[in-house]
Amino acid sequence: AQRVTQPEKLLSVFKGAPVELKCNYSYSGSPELFWYVQYSRQRLQLLLRHISRESIKGFTADLNKGETSFHLKKPFAQEEDSAMYYCALGGSGTYKYIFGTGTRLKVLA
Amino acid sequence: SQTIHQWPATLVQPVGSPLSLECTVEGTSNPNLYWYRQAAGRGLQLLFYSVGIGQISSEVPQNLSASRPQDRQFILSSKKLLLSDSGFYLCAFAEGKGSTEAFFGQGTRLTVV
Repeated sequence: AQRVTQPEKLLSVFKGAPVELKCNYSYSGSPELFWYVQYSRQRLQLLLRHISRESIKGFTADLNKGETSFHLKKPFAQEEDSAMYYCALGGSGTYKYIFGTGTRLKVLA
Repeated sequence: SQTIHQWPATLVQPVGSPLSLECTVEGTSNPNLYWYRQAAGRGLQLLFYSVGIGQISSEVPQNLSASRPQDRQFILSSKKLLLSDSGFYLCAFAEGKGSTEAFFGQGTRLTVV
């Protein structure tokens, strides 16, 4: 079974501080991990995926298969990063995308 | 380019009334289609997905059903709504198996009164 855990419902940081949103997963197959973001009054959209290994808006995430984690990081938070962030698990062997419960990030001025 | 349309944006329905939410996709063929419910503290719960016309997989037992009458049309239905069906419903599509990006609609806020 596919499972995603995001332990933090809310994360508040000050502008310029580092950010780490945690995500752990459980999957018996070959996982594909994604981070989706939902800004206020906008639709849910892809932020980044592990297979791309790229930095989007200063965010990075590394897939750690040993720890079954895919934490999202940014060295210096900006106010416009305030949003709801969802970690999602898919895989080449499944049609399903399973999402975590989400973490609301608030960046304080 | 691909687009996904979902309507209505908001809906208020009495308990016991039927429900029909529609989702259509443009700019792609044979997409995989998904219905999710988004609830505070519970994240996005996968309700149904479809990999082809008439093929529906249900993820959780509930008062809802889904249908895919055409390649790019996905409908979420209920014969009799319950108060617990209230929530925010999202339609999504992907062009491949679970290693490709999923694209989401704007969502429907359903309130059952």
